[in-house]
Amino acid sequence: SAVISQKPSRDICQRGTSLTIQCQVDSQVTMMFWYRQQPGQSLTLIATANQGSEATYESGFVIDKFPISRPNLTFSTLTVSNMSPEDSSIYLCSVPGRGRGEKLFFGSGTQLSVL
Amino acid sequence: KQEVTQIPAALSVPEGENLVLNCSFTDSAIYNLQWFRQDPGKGLTSLLLIQSSQREQTSGRLNASLDKSSGRSTLYIAASQPGDSATYLCAVGGNQFYFGTGTSLTVIP
Repeated sequence: SAVISQKPSRDICQRGTSLTIQCQVDSQVTMMFWYRQQPGQSLTLIATANQGSEATYESGFVIDKFPISRPNLTFSTLTVSNMSPEDSSIYLCSVPGRGRGEKLFFGSGTQLSVL
Repeated sequence: KQEVTQIPAALSVPEGENLVLNCSFTDSAIYNLQWFRQDPGKGLTSLLLIQSSQREQTSGRLNASLDKSSGRSTLYIAASQPGDSATYLCAVGGNQFYFGTGTSLTVIP
């Protein structure tokens, strides 16, 4: 299993500002995933963060809007840049268990509201 | 890119009924499929994990099946209870993990 600490748990931000979300895992993991859950929707994969290389972004998400850092095997950050009300969502980091075919574990999420 | 669809989007049943939730995916090159439940305003609770080599997994009143070749999984809930009311999500695991559209279940006492 993996224990994931994510912060902040919630924030209210002004339009045009940026917020950085941190994700700390209690063990070394190769891949970390960042998801967005918009109100009433399912989870959408934003990007895969690999240590030592650039993050891989899904269609519809760009690095300028959602820059990701992955400085080591236990930590990652996601920044939501130049926010607008449409960015109001829950943001979650996630890691797979050891080896392929293992469970997906989640942080507790960051509830972001943009005014 | 993997596309994952869940049917129905919403379901309302009386207490005690057996029910089936469906999950379909477009790319059969997966490592596993995981079912989650999400309660309003809460995080995700993992229910069952099926490896790509397995056909089903059971936990209590829950049974999940996987037919990788046809791109389908079902979650069977026996003798439903009001406490089962939640949104159920399937997640397909390959190199990334993609989530389905979700089924909102309401069990009426």
